[in-house]
Amino acid sequence: DQQVKQNSPSLSVQEGRISILNCDYTNSMFDYFLWYKKYPAEGPTFLISISSIKDKNEDGRFTVFLNKSAKHLSLHIVPSQPGDSAVYFCAAGSQGNLIFGKGTKLSVKP
Amino acid sequence: EAGVVQSPRYKIIEKKQPVAFWCNPISGHNTLYWYRQNLGQGPELLIRYENEEAVDDSQLPKDRFSAERLKGVDSTLKIQPAELGDSAVYLCASSSSGRGYNEQFFGPGTRLTVL
Repeated sequence: DQQVKQNSPSLSVQEGRISILNCDYTNSMFDYFLWYKKYPAEGPTFLISISSIKDKNEDGRFTVFLNKSAKHLSLHIVPSQPGDSAVYFCAAGSQGNLIFGKGTKLSVKP
Repeated sequence: EAGVVQSPRYKIIEKKQPVAFWCNPISGHNTLYWYRQNLGQGPELLIRYENEEAVDDSQLPKDRFSAERLKGVDSTLKIQPAELGDSAVYLCASSSSGRGYNEQFFGPGTRLTVL
């Protein structure tokens, strides 16, 4: 049973618009959440994180929102750029280990 | 600062053959992870080391997989014998601490193909 779910395998947006990537989790014991970005033939690279005691964290064009009651988090990218095209993984952590979702492939079109 | 180094980048072997992957973590990172990523899936943890000690190997198929981290730095992951289902990308990651929140830094991975 998947503990971290990314239900949208792909997302396509126009350059300059907002990209919203969603993630749901089932385990209320997770105490931190991270987003990773992955380009082909490379390892995942850390993008942004949020602690379970917060509901929002912002870093430049990237904002992560956490709704604990709904066990849902989302990543907002504004404005989206063609270089943002990649696979985005949501990960949830507890006691040092991370559980990853299956990823969402984002395509940003010029 | 050098990132996580893995070798080889690609490996093609026939089933029942042995294979080994090597990882050099970021200098000073005492926590090292091995993950397996199947096509269309996210990374799945195989084993986590704190220095030389394997603190979580619950997901490591111990009948054919083994790992070691001598001197708490480099690590090797071995499969013997390999099966067709082992075809995947094997990722190594490191972090400065395994406790609490710490981002993990990933290497480029080794893509294994078992024929």
